[in-house]
Amino acid sequence: SQQGEEDPQALSIQEGENATMNCSYKTSINNLQWYRQNSGRGLVHLILIRSNEREKHSGRLRVTLDTSKKSSSLLITASRAADTASYFCATDADSGYSTLTFGKGTMLLVSP
Amino acid sequence: DTAVSQTPKYLVTQMGNDKSIKCEQNLGHDTMYWYKQDSKKFLKIMFSYNNKELIINETVPNRFSPKSPDKAHLNLHINSLELGDSAVYFCASSQDSVVTGGNTEAFFGQGTRLTVV
Repeated sequence: SQQGEEDPQALSIQEGENATMNCSYKTSINNLQWYRQNSGRGLVHLILIRSNEREKHSGRLRVTLDTSKKSSSLLITASRAADTASYFCATDADSGYSTLTFGKGTMLLVSP
Repeated sequence: DTAVSQTPKYLVTQMGNDKSIKCEQNLGHDTMYWYKQDSKKFLKIMFSYNNKELIINETVPNRFSPKSPDKAHLNLHINSLELGDSAVYFCASSQDSVVTGGNTEAFFGQGTRLTVV
């Protein structure tokens, strides 16, 4: 069953601009995670935010979580061409075992 | 050292054949997963194993049979391959939140691109 839905599906920006991606989910969660996938590669973990946290930072990444709206956003500041990739949110459901369910992803294109 | 390794990276085979994809993780994680990524990049969980026991089986045809000989390995065997099975299959692992205090970050293999002709 699909849990997360990312928005937008695709985003095209210039280097130096900020990129914002949103994720909505349906059930209660332990945490929400964001992953990055370069073309033809596996997914790489970026950042995790727990259900009792509202905001988290890691370098140029800022993640927010609103459990009342069941939504999260990922902000990449001062984007670079190397940030071009697909970004996925994944929810870890509150089900006793760790079960990551992914959304459809946002394809980000950063042009030089 | 590769944390999660899966083989082969590419697999081209004819309809009706049986094939296996192997996955190994050297991270000491308790949970392993198989995901299928279709042409639209949608990642769908297929199976989840915790300490060699099946936890999740998401409406996957019974032609797909996971096997976990030990908690470091989760192999995927597919019988009677069909054209619709063509996709990229990812293996992943994570540690139990009880062990990590809530950090259930998953580590992914590089994927196996399966093409059924």
